[in-house]
Amino acid sequence: DGGITQSPKYLFRKEGQNVTLSCEQNLNHDAMYWYRQDPGQGLRLIYYSQIVNDFQKGDIAEGYSVSREKKESFPLTVTSAQKNPTAFYLCASSIQGAGEAFFGQGTRLTVV
Amino acid sequence: SQQGEEDPQALSIQEGENATMNCSYKTSINNLQWYRQNSGRGLVHLILIRSNEREKHSGRLRVTLDTSKKSSSLLITASRAADTASYFCATRMNTGFQKLVFGTGTRLLVSP
Repeated sequence: DGGITQSPKYLFRKEGQNVTLSCEQNLNHDAMYWYRQDPGQGLRLIYYSQIVNDFQKGDIAEGYSVSREKKESFPLTVTSAQKNPTAFYLCASSIQGAGEAFFGQGTRLTVV
Repeated sequence: SQQGEEDPQALSIQEGENATMNCSYKTSINNLQWYRQNSGRGLVHLILIRSNEREKHSGRLRVTLDTSKKSSSLLITASRAADTASYFCATRMNTGFQKLVFGTGTRLLVSP
């Protein structure tokens, strides 16, 4: 089955800890995205990548980091510098510069 | 920054009624898309309308686009309880990398 997979579904982080959210796609898409969604809110763009080994900051990149070493994978690290990391994180991919985006099922991150 | 603002923020209707959601955006676009999100899940693409199109249909969905007013509307006809979800508009810019920017969403509740 073609699609985009996020893991884990739920993640708990202690104060001061870095955590990494996984995002994998087998759709052969060049572009990948990370969004953050807070309760009752829209999606805000954290980082996006147009192609392997390249990525750009979105609107709320502070406290986050990404890598794009493989076309299929775009992991997001939430660092201790992110002061309010509790949120729902969504990964998406699309054909470069066109068309619809395909979303994963999301990772709900909670700081404990 | 979010490109789109949606109106209303919440909508409650009875099964069989039509639901209309509106989206306004700020800058020139290549296309506008509508997505659906069930609670706690990823987003699912519904329909895409290009900047040179004025109306598009897909099943019970009808989308209009008015680029002079920078606005779009999504009409769901003969709504069903299963249509209960949040609906988001998203725009692809007309310049540079066409990152996908989301609006704030409309929460639709369809009662049996």
